[in-house]
Amino acid sequence: NAGVTQTPKFQVLKTGQSMTLQCAQDMNHEYMSWYRQDPGMGLRLIHYSVGAGITDQGEVPNGYNVSRSTTEDFPLRLLSAAPSQTSVYFCASATVEASKNIQYFGAGTRLSVL
Amino acid sequence: AQSVAQPEDQVNVAEGNPLTVKCTYSVSGNPYLFWYVQYPNRGLQFLLKYITGDNLVKGSYGFEAEFNKSQTSFHLKKPSALVSDSALYFCAVRDIRYGGATNKLIFGTGTLLAVQP
Repeated sequence: NAGVTQTPKFQVLKTGQSMTLQCAQDMNHEYMSWYRQDPGMGLRLIHYSVGAGITDQGEVPNGYNVSRSTTEDFPLRLLSAAPSQTSVYFCASATVEASKNIQYFGAGTRLSVL
Repeated sequence: AQSVAQPEDQVNVAEGNPLTVKCTYSVSGNPYLFWYVQYPNRGLQFLLKYITGDNLVKGSYGFEAEFNKSQTSFHLKKPSALVSDSALYFCAVRDIRYGGATNKLIFGTGTLLAVQP
């Protein structure tokens, strides 16, 4: 039972490089989201999706793109990495059923932008 | 504006003593409240939630939380702390700004719990 799988676990980029953080879930959850975690700031929502083909912006979307072509996958793209994007990134998934409202998180991707 | 506050960056407690990690919230309407725990180099794990019903909610690993509407609080508690409880704890509230059956959460800044042997 894999749950939410994120790759890679660690990544170092140079300013201006692009990359894609992968996220996959095997629980058939409709809802998926990306957060970034920074010291003293908790988790902040970057983008989210309520189903295949549907995405929307969260609290801090600038510099990031997402797409949702399948239920299982929700990749996060950094278009032109900046040092301010150095962070730990978490993907999460959940059913949209309001009464169940529990998010399952991946183990995270630790990104450094030099 | 909706928000969650965790007033303590760190809580220190001796093993075997009771522990409390504080959380207060500000939302319009009835809150959906959550506690998550994060162990080092891991993702967040769900501990417990309050939606309706009993003000005392029981969760995983012997944790419980008390919902207090008049004080707008949702403090996490455990009667007897273990060294293995040492971790980062996050309080969260469902973000209702976007309407519908949304799972969007607003997280507090986290409280580091350190349990000394």
